Amino acid sequence: KQEVTQIPAALSVPEGENLVLNCSFTDSAIYNLQWFRQDPGKGLTSLLLIQSSQREQTSGRLNASLDKSSGRSTLYIAASQPGDSATYLCAVHTGYSTLTFGKGTMLLVSP
Amino acid sequence: DAGVIQSPRHEVTEMGQEVTLRCKPISGHNSLFWYRQTMMRGLELLIYFNNNVPIDDSGMPEDRFSAKMPNASFSTLKIQPSEPRDSAVYFCASSLGGSGANVLTFGAGSRLTVL
Repeated sequence: KQEVTQIPAALSVPEGENLVLNCSFTDSAIYNLQWFRQDPGKGLTSLLLIQSSQREQTSGRLNASLDKSSGRSTLYIAASQPGDSATYLCAVHTGYSTLTFGKGTMLLVSP
Repeated sequence: DAGVIQSPRHEVTEMGQEVTLRCKPISGHNSLFWYRQTMMRGLELLIYFNNNVPIDDSGMPEDRFSAKMPNASFSTLKIQPSEPRDSAVYFCASSLGGSGANVLTFGAGSRLTVL
């Protein structure tokens, strides 16, 4: 059974710092990996999707990498801003309908 | 498009009552997913529909839970009878195709509290 772990569970940084969120998964036979953002009381917003054949994806200040063989992904956020404060979830796709989520990293960026 | 629409946003009910959660997916999306989110267990897939047909309901916790999708623009998740341990946020999501290569779009969720 696929298990997804995200470290750290919570992170607090001052504005302007570059930061890395980590995601690991136990079964490397994945189709893709997605990073989501969840604001308090809201649904999830997809940030980046990395196919299993890809090594990384970039969107603005966000860069996600994937090392399928070692079961790891990182989400790099450059020049963090208070508006980046949210919970970031990693999810791996291991079947037509099976998307397994980590429990997320709660990020707080203080001004 | 208004996105995935869920109702109600909040529901407080007493143990034993029937609860019905509703979802309107994005027009044109042919896959619909119901997820449940709790602090302890995170996000769990309950059921997945493709072209209005339930494909995978292995995540439905027990017979008290049922889901229907009578047409491409509407789905319901029903809990009868409800129990306090059903308290959670229930999310509906839709996509064009399966959740594989295609991005899921989530609704804002329905927060259920069973007293």
